[in-house]
Amino acid sequence: EAQVTQNPRYLITVTGKKLTVTCSQNMNHEYMSWYRQDPGLGLRQIYYSMNVEVTDKGDVPEGYKVSRKEKRNFPLILESPSPNQTSLYFCASRLTMGGRNEQFFGPGTRLTVL
Amino acid sequence: AQKITQTQPGMFVQEKEAVTLDCTYDTSDPSYGLFWYKQPSSGEMIFLIYQGSYDQQNATEGRYSLNFQKARKSANLVISASQLGDSAMYFCAMREHQGGSEKLVFGKGTKLTVNP
Repeated sequence: EAQVTQNPRYLITVTGKKLTVTCSQNMNHEYMSWYRQDPGLGLRQIYYSMNVEVTDKGDVPEGYKVSRKEKRNFPLILESPSPNQTSLYFCASRLTMGGRNEQFFGPGTRLTVL
Repeated sequence: AQKITQTQPGMFVQEKEAVTLDCTYDTSDPSYGLFWYKQPSSGEMIFLIYQGSYDQQNATEGRYSLNFQKARKSANLVISASQLGDSAMYFCAMREHQGGSEKLVFGKGTKLTVNP
């Protein structure tokens, strides 16, 4: 089944404790991205990657890191989480840039930073 | 300035009636794309419909249609014959090119409630 998977789905952590949210897709998609969703703000892009070893900042990259060493994986790293990073996070992928290629979303990771 | 504007934080519609969810956008990219996504209370994001900037006809997907008015920069979603399962958040999004890459920008969403 074609899908984007994220782990963990739920995470409660404390300020300053490094964490990684994994994202994997099995569709051989080139383009992957991370979003955070906050009430009243919609989805905002954190980072995106157009292909292996190619990543770039989105609209809200502060406090986050990413890497794209393999095509299928795009982990999101919070080196020192803070309470303002409490949010719902989505990983997404699409085949390539342009066209009607829809973006497939993972199920979301709900993160709480105490 | 916001790239995508959804002016209706919440909308109500009676079951079996049609409803229009508004979306206006702002871009200088001549080649852009517009998407609508549905997010039910369970949280997943579900793709509904796509409209390319060069598409001559309005997109349709089953009960969903997109009223694309390019000159007015609007891309309203029309849901015909509403069902209780249509109750959800709806997000309009725009794909535009920036330099050698592209971004997908989302609006803040509209919460649709379908009443029986």
